[in-house]
Amino acid sequence: AQSVSQHNHHVILSEAASLELGCNYSYGGTVNLFWYVQYPGQHLQLLLKYFSGDPLVKGIKGFEAEFIKSKFSFNLRKPSVQWSDTAEYFCAASHKAAGNKLTFGGGTRVLVKP
Amino acid sequence: EAGVTQFPSHSVIEKGQTVTLRCDPISGHDNLYWYRRVMGKEIKFLLHFVKESKQDESGMPNNRFLAERTGGTYSTLKVQPAELEDSGVYFCASSQLRGGQETQYFGPGTRLLVL
Repeated sequence: AQSVSQHNHHVILSEAASLELGCNYSYGGTVNLFWYVQYPGQHLQLLLKYFSGDPLVKGIKGFEAEFIKSKFSFNLRKPSVQWSDTAEYFCAASHKAAGNKLTFGGGTRVLVKP
Repeated sequence: EAGVTQFPSHSVIEKGQTVTLRCDPISGHDNLYWYRRVMGKEIKFLLHFVKESKQDESGMPNNRFLAERTGGTYSTLKVQPAELEDSGVYFCASSQLRGGQETQYFGPGTRLLVL
């Protein structure tokens, strides 16, 4: 069965620091990868997605992620965070053979101190 | 374009009672998914509708959970009778398959607390 793991449960950093959140998945075939974010009091929003093509994906709000097939990874990065990036971040994967249902990682809570 | 909506936003019930959650997908989206996040755990898949048909209900915990999607529009998820372990946030998502690629859009969730 497919699984997704996120390396950190909690991350605390200061404004202007760089952010990298790790995500690994276990599935040997063609996989679709997503990062979702949930800001306090809001619903899950799509940050970025990878289906195929350029492994470096750019999303909203200055986020990007890199798909590294050999490492089964899809890490999320942002060069300089803002206080408004405080949120919980979820990595998710899907594949056509499983009906495209999403398998989520456990989530990473990010707190950006002003 | 309106997003995915869910009702109610919160529900507090006693063990043994019945609760019905509703999801209205984005207009025109054939795919509708239910997910659940129990506190401290990851978001987990419950089931998937394509139009009015259940495509995959492998994630449904047990037969106390019943999902329907009348006419392929909105969906309901009924828990009867509710147990303490059913507490959590229930998310609904919808999508439309385009060119083999599918992106799911989520509703705000329903927070269910069973006492």
